[in-house]
Amino acid sequence: EPEVTQTPSHQVTQMGQEVILRCVPISNHLYFYWYRQILGQKVEFLVSFYNNEISEKSEIFDDQFSVERPDGSNFTLKIRSTKLEDSAMYFCASSGGSSLGAQHFGDGTRLSIL
Amino acid sequence: GESVGLHLPTLSVQEGDNSIINCAYSNSASDYFIWYKQESGKGPQFIIDIRSNMDKRQGQRVTVLLNKTVKHLSLQIAATQPGDSAVYFCAENMDRASGSARQLTFGSGTQLTVLP
Repeated sequence: EPEVTQTPSHQVTQMGQEVILRCVPISNHLYFYWYRQILGQKVEFLVSFYNNEISEKSEIFDDQFSVERPDGSNFTLKIRSTKLEDSAMYFCASSGGSSLGAQHFGDGTRLSIL
Repeated sequence: GESVGLHLPTLSVQEGDNSIINCAYSNSASDYFIWYKQESGKGPQFIIDIRSNMDKRQGQRVTVLLNKTVKHLSLQIAATQPGDSAVYFCAENMDRASGSARQLTFGSGTQLTVLP
């Protein structure tokens, strides 16, 4: 069964450094998402992406965040200057050919900021 | 602000019994709902979804019920098995613009523990 894959599984970074989290969505999907989950809390929406542009973003997704689909398979989340409060699990998701479709999630990248 | 929330943070059931996990949502404009299962160290796993023009949908061992009058969603798991132990989230989705990618709003989650 096709799945969303994310790398790395765990990223440890010094505060103020840039990080790039990578995702390979399901191959025929057209809609892409990033969510985060702080330990013990609910999953929170960050950003959605369709047709090579951001569709929606939350208040969390400030100027330090950016997303990119550099080629036909990868979808990345960049945090330019990380803060301690960016420590969380970051999940990538994708959904199919309709905006009303189930979003399928990867297993996440655990980001630890020191 | 409007949000999706769960009534109970934990639920313990005996193996073989049926489980019912509840969810209240407050956004009456939501038109699509999904239940996810999250095991430790894993991402949310899609279980079942339902659109607002339905009130019941069945899958394999799972049934989702939607009551729009009271804005309530439930997930029923038949013959609960040890492998069903996980955190279960409901998520709502509201159409904001035609063709745009939609964001999901997640509830807080219910920890289901299946007892031997």
